[in-house]
Amino acid sequence: DVKVTQSSRYLVKRTGEKVFLECVQDMDHENMFWYRQDPGLGLRLIYFSYDVKMKEKGDIPEGYSVSREKKERFSLILESASTNQTSMYLCASSILARPGNQPQHFGDGTRLSIL
Amino acid sequence: AQSVSQHNHHVILSEAASLELGCNYSYGGTVNLFWYVQYPGQHLQLLLKYFSGDPLVKGIKGFEAEFIKSKFSFNLRKPSVQWSDTAEYFCAVTTGGGSYIPTFGRGTSLIVHP
Repeated sequence: DVKVTQSSRYLVKRTGEKVFLECVQDMDHENMFWYRQDPGLGLRLIYFSYDVKMKEKGDIPEGYSVSREKKERFSLILESASTNQTSMYLCASSILARPGNQPQHFGDGTRLSIL
Repeated sequence: AQSVSQHNHHVILSEAASLELGCNYSYGGTVNLFWYVQYPGQHLQLLLKYFSGDPLVKGIKGFEAEFIKSKFSFNLRKPSVQWSDTAEYFCAVTTGGGSYIPTFGRGTSLIVHP
């Protein structure tokens, strides 16, 4: 069974802090994703990566950056946290299959509060 | 770019009622379709998926979905819901042109009263 592990379930930080959210998957998946989930807005893609050191912007990349130094690990970085980044953050991974028919596997999420 | 619409944002049912959650997408070409479920306090998990073949797809826990190409729809159904089906449900689409980045609907919150 695929396991996607997010480092923290709950996190509280202050505005202006640099925040790191870590995600690790154990199935050698090529693709990894970061989403934020807000009530009524569903899942919005922040960044994704299809290979080590490769990254692509999603729909809402502003205020975020990512790092993928190893295949199994994908980090989301809030450069200078702001209150509007308070949200649930979800990490996901999937196999790189060109027909796009492979499902994503999600972590439990990190509920981040910025005070 | 494709879009996904889930028209029912909140659904409240009693146990044993039938369920149908709507999902419509905007892309005109080949699509792959997914329904995910998020139970309270748990991670999103795959409920079922369609990418070819029989348009009626059966998933876990008695759920099924029907792909109707002419209507650009992939509605989720269950004949008799249980209290344990209380969850948030997301429809997602990838296109057959090689994009593996799914587009998600905004989700439907289902509450089932015992």
